Amino acid sequence: SQKIEQNSEALNIQEGKTATLTCNYTNYSPAYLQWYRQDPGRGPVFLLLIRENEKEKRKERLKVTFDTTLKQSLFHITASQPADSATYLCAPGRPSGQLVFGTGTRLLVSP
Amino acid sequence: GAGVSQSPRYKVAKRGQDVALRCDPISGHVSLFWYQQALGQGPEFLTYFQNEAQLDKSGLPSDRFFAERPEGSVSTLKIQRTQQEDSAVYLCASSLGGTSYNEQFFGPGTRLTVL
Repeated sequence: SQKIEQNSEALNIQEGKTATLTCNYTNYSPAYLQWYRQDPGRGPVFLLLIRENEKEKRKERLKVTFDTTLKQSLFHITASQPADSATYLCAPGRPSGQLVFGTGTRLLVSP
Repeated sequence: GAGVSQSPRYKVAKRGQDVALRCDPISGHVSLFWYQQALGQGPEFLTYFQNEAQLDKSGLPSDRFFAERPEGSVSTLKIQRTQQEDSAVYLCASSLGGTSYNEQFFGPGTRLTVL
C-alpha cells in the first residue's frame, strides 16, 4: 500500500530562517503532489501543486521540489514568520483525484 | 460565495446510534470528497463523487458507512450503529473539475465523538 512519510516531530525555527519540510513516499509513482496547510480546528488549505515533470515550483515565499527518482518532495518557506506556524501536509495524488495525505509536520516559528 | 460548509460542527453520539453529517460544497464544483482525520494524523480518504455518481468508495471502513450526493450538490455521510473507533473529524472537500489536478477546498470538518 502507499506510504507517505513526513517528519513526525515538530520543526522549531527562528523567525527569518528558512524552514524545510520533507515528504517521502513509497510503493507508487504519483503524477503530481500537492501541499496543504492546516491550522488547529480547521480544514486543510491548498498551497501548491507540482507535477512529475516539474522539478521545482515557487509561489511567493514558498518553494516545492519533486524528485521522482528519490520519491521525495521538499517544501521550503523562506523568511519564515510566526504566522507560518501550522501543520503542513504532503499529498501525492492518484489519477482518480484521490489524495493520499501524510501525517503532516508541525512547524513552529518563534519571534 | 462562501466556501465549503459542514454541519453539524460537533456531534456527540452514544455507541450504537446512527449519525448523518452534511456537506455543502462550493457551488458549481463537480467533485466532492469525504475524508476521516484522527487526532494527530493526516486526512484519510473515504469516498469520492463526481456530480451525483459515487466513483470511488474504497476508503469506507465498513458497510456501516454510507455516502450520497443525490442531486450532485449537497452530500451526506451516514454512519450507522456508531462505534468508539468512529470518533474522528470528518472532512468534506470539493473541487471545480473532474480531473485529478484540481486543488481541493476543504470545509471546517465535523468532530464526531462516540461515547
